[in-house]
Amino acid sequence: EAGVAQSPRYKIIEKRQSVAFWCNPISGHATLYWYQQILGQGPKLLIQFQNNGVVDDSQLPKDRFSAERLKGVDSTLKIQPAKLEDSAVYLCASSLAGARYEQYFGPGTRLTVT
Amino acid sequence: GENVEQHPSTLSVQEGDSAVIKCTYSDSASNYFPWYKQELGKRPQLIIDIRSNVGEKKDQRIAVTLNKTAKHFSLHITETQPEDSAVYFCAATEALHFGNEKLTFGTGTRLTIIP
Repeated sequence: EAGVAQSPRYKIIEKRQSVAFWCNPISGHATLYWYQQILGQGPKLLIQFQNNGVVDDSQLPKDRFSAERLKGVDSTLKIQPAKLEDSAVYLCASSLAGARYEQYFGPGTRLTVT
Repeated sequence: GENVEQHPSTLSVQEGDSAVIKCTYSDSASNYFPWYKQELGKRPQLIIDIRSNVGEKKDQRIAVTLNKTAKHFSLHITETQPEDSAVYFCAATEALHFGNEKLTFGTGTRLTIIP
C-alpha cells in the first residue's frame, strides 16, 4: 500500500511570511495527525483529526497556525505569519482508527525560518 | 495532561551487548504504550507496543515491560547490532473527550552501537 505523502519536503521562508504544508494519508485511515519535531526532541502533536473533525488541537498556536482536513482525506497545515521558532520538521501521520493503532508517518517537511 | 519522561537521552553500547531505555508517565489512565524508532533523516516507525493488560511483550531481539503500579515501561534490545543505532521514542496515550485518545511522546534516546 502507498504510504503517507507530504509536500513540500523542504521550505525556507523569512519570518512573517506564510507557508502551507500538504498531507495525503494512507487510504482508509480515519485518523490524521500533524506533529512538530524540533531538532533533538520528540514529536509534539499539533492537531489530530478523526475523519474531518478535530479531536485535539490543544497545542496548536491558533493565532498563527491553522489546519483543515478536506472531505476526511487530505489535510493542509498553514502558518501565518511564521516566527523563527517555527523552524522544525512537520510530520504528518495517519492511523486506521485512533491513537491505539500504529501511526504511519510521512517523510516530513523541513521548515527553516530565517 | 500526560507527561512522559524518557532516559537516558543518549546511550552507547558495544555491539552484542544489551540496551535498556526507560520511560515514566503521569496519567494512570494511560493504557497503550508504543515505541518508535527514528533513523537519521528518516521518519519514525513503530517497532513494538504494549497494552495495559499485559506486563511484557517480546518480538525477536526486542522486548517491552510495563509496570502500571509504578507507571513506568522499558524497552530492552538484546544482542545489539549496528542497524539498531537510531533515536528511540516512547509514548503513552492520554484520554480525550468522547472516547478519543492521543499520544504523548517522550524526548527520545539516541542509541549508538559501537562495533
